[in-house]
Amino acid sequence: QKEVEQNSGPLSVPEGAIASLNCTYSDRVSQSFFWYRQYSGKSPELIMSIYSNGDKEDGRFTAQLNKASQYVSLLIRDSQPSDSATYLCAVNNQAGTALIFGKGTTLSVSS
Amino acid sequence: DGGITQSPKYLFRKEGQNVTLSCEQNLNHDAMYWYRQDPGQGLRLIYYSQIVNDFQKGDIAEGYSVSREKKESFPLTVTSAQKNPTAFYLCASGLGQGSIYEQYFGPGTRLTVT
Repeated sequence: QKEVEQNSGPLSVPEGAIASLNCTYSDRVSQSFFWYRQYSGKSPELIMSIYSNGDKEDGRFTAQLNKASQYVSLLIRDSQPSDSATYLCAVNNQAGTALIFGKGTTLSVSS
Repeated sequence: DGGITQSPKYLFRKEGQNVTLSCEQNLNHDAMYWYRQDPGQGLRLIYYSQIVNDFQKGDIAEGYSVSREKKESFPLTVTSAQKNPTAFYLCASGLGQGSIYEQYFGPGTRLTVT
C-alpha cells in the first residue's frame, strides 16, 4: 500500500511567523500533489496543488515539491489565528484514478 | 451556485438498518468519490466512479454500496454489514482527467449508529 506520511503535530507557531508543514510519499511515480485545509468539524478545502519540482506561490501560501526526495511541503507566511486547522497532504495513486491522503498535521497559531 | 451538496448533515440510525447518504454535484465533473474519516485519522477511500454506470472499490468498500446512474449523483448506502459505520462521510468530485486530480469536497454527513 502506497503511503503518504505527515507529522501529526500539533505544530504551534506565534502569529506572524512562518509555519512549515511537511509530507513524504512512497510512490515514485506520483505526479500530482495537493494540500487541503480542514477546520474542526468541517470538510477539507483545497488550498494548493503542485505538479512540478520547485516552488509554487499563492498569496501567503507556498508549496514546495522535490520529487527526487519524495517530499512536498507547505509554507504559510505571516501566520494568522484563522490558519489554525488540520492540513492534509494528498498524492495521486499509481493508477491516477484517486488520491491518497496523509493523516494531517494540526497547526495552531497563537495571537 | 456551483458546488457539491450532501444530505443530511447529521444522520442517526439504529444498528442493523441500511442507510443511504446523498451526494449531488453541479460542477459537471466526471469523477466522484466517497471517503470516510474517523477521529484522528486521514481520509479513507470507500468507492469512486470515473463515469456514469461505472464505479470501483476503494480501500474500505466492505459493507458499502454505491450507484452512478446520473453524472450529478453518487449515493452511498451503508449496509448493516458494515461493522463500524459511525463516522464522518465525505463526498468529493473532480474532473478526473489524466494525472491532474484536484478534488473538491462536499460539506459531509455525520452518521451515528447506535
